[in-house]
Amino acid sequence: DAGVTQSPTHLIKTRGQQVTLRCSPKSGHDTVSWYQQALGQGPQFIFQYYEEEERQRGNFPDRFSGHQFPNYSSELNVNALLLGDSALYLCASSPGGRTDTQYFGPGTRLTVL
Amino acid sequence: AQSVSQHNHHVILSEAASLELGCNYSYGGTVNLFWYVQYPGQHLQLLLKYFSGDPLVKGIKGFEAEFIKSKFSFNLRKPSVQWSDTAEYFCAVNSFNTDKLIFGTGTRLQVFP
Repeated sequence: DAGVTQSPTHLIKTRGQQVTLRCSPKSGHDTVSWYQQALGQGPQFIFQYYEEEERQRGNFPDRFSGHQFPNYSSELNVNALLLGDSALYLCASSPGGRTDTQYFGPGTRLTVL
Repeated sequence: AQSVSQHNHHVILSEAASLELGCNYSYGGTVNLFWYVQYPGQHLQLLLKYFSGDPLVKGIKGFEAEFIKSKFSFNLRKPSVQWSDTAEYFCAVNSFNTDKLIFGTGTRLQVFP
């Protein structure tokens, strides 16, 4: 049973560019949440997708957007990258629209130069 | 807004020493409480969680946590740490109202043989 997978593992972009990160949830999970973890900080909630819709959103600008596909996989898009967007981006999956049983992926390390 | 405070940013212990990591949250309603661990090079894993019932919760690898509602605290404990407990520990909370998972800034634990 595969856990949560994320791609790519690492990514280097320059300011102003756009990036897409991908997440495949654990088998049987239909809810995907995205987090940003800056160096030395705890993960910060970006948004959550359930039934292909954004259900919850944290305090992130509209440059951060996402999508969930019918197979429950998800993408995180960040436009107009800033240096401050450099972080580890974590995806977590859970069943039934809840966050009380989340499984985390290994993350995508994004570096913005 | 909900927030989580972890008082200890960096803890250094010798093997067999006892561990207590502090966690306080700010939210007046009903909450779920979690401790996650991130071992070097690995992804976030759930150590234990509290939803309701017995305020003393036992998790994996000999960890336990006590929920004290009057103090808004959920401290993590282990009677005797091992070198393999070296990791980053995160306290997190979510509420039934928002269902967002809010993390603290983390505590880095180093255990020396």
